[in-house]
Amino acid sequence: EAGVVQSPRYKIIEKKQPVAFWCNPISGHNTLYWYRQNLGQGPELLIRYENEEAVDDSQLPKDRFSAERLKGVDSTLKIQPAELGDSAVYLCASSPGERNIQYFGAGTRLSVL
Amino acid sequence: QKEVEQNSGPLSVPEGAIASLNCTYSDRGSQSFFWYRQYSGKSPELIMFIYSNGDKEDGRFTAQLNKASQYVSLLIRDSQPSDSATYLCAAFSGGYQKVTFGTGTKLQVIP
Repeated sequence: EAGVVQSPRYKIIEKKQPVAFWCNPISGHNTLYWYRQNLGQGPELLIRYENEEAVDDSQLPKDRFSAERLKGVDSTLKIQPAELGDSAVYLCASSPGERNIQYFGAGTRLSVL
Repeated sequence: QKEVEQNSGPLSVPEGAIASLNCTYSDRGSQSFFWYRQYSGKSPELIMFIYSNGDKEDGRFTAQLNKASQYVSLLIRDSQPSDSATYLCAAFSGGYQKVTFGTGTKLQVIP
């Protein structure tokens, strides 16, 4: 069974440019998460989806970040415009719902110059 | 106050020894607890989860939960150099419907 797939793995952009990350969760997992992880820190939740509904986006900086999960499967996280402080690893995770066990993708490492 | 706290380490243990990793949490409504292993430059990988007081064993790993003390631990027996990684503790809060991660403890197993 395929795991959580994320792309791209790495992205280098200049500040003020837009960037998008894509995530395909494990088949059958209705819950999808986007996290941001800074160096030496634990993952911090940006947004959680239950199927296609964003049920927790309280930590998403909505002035520049947006996300969507069309048809309740794949998801895209966008930043526009990117700032230097957005440099981090963006992780996608999915869960079948049981006990909120989450499985992570490989992540996208973003560098904003 | 950080909701899930871990000592950042590094925790150094000799090969073959028992490594003990500790975590405390502040939300008494937390229901489930997770230990993830994260190698440098890689994503977190689930090692153990526990939701009942007491011990849960899986191979060389034992998770321990004490809800009264709001304390979770992970024991790694017969530590191997390949166990060298950062271990993230996480807690699921039923009230907030949210998993919160600690900052992780870096473990170094010395051959």
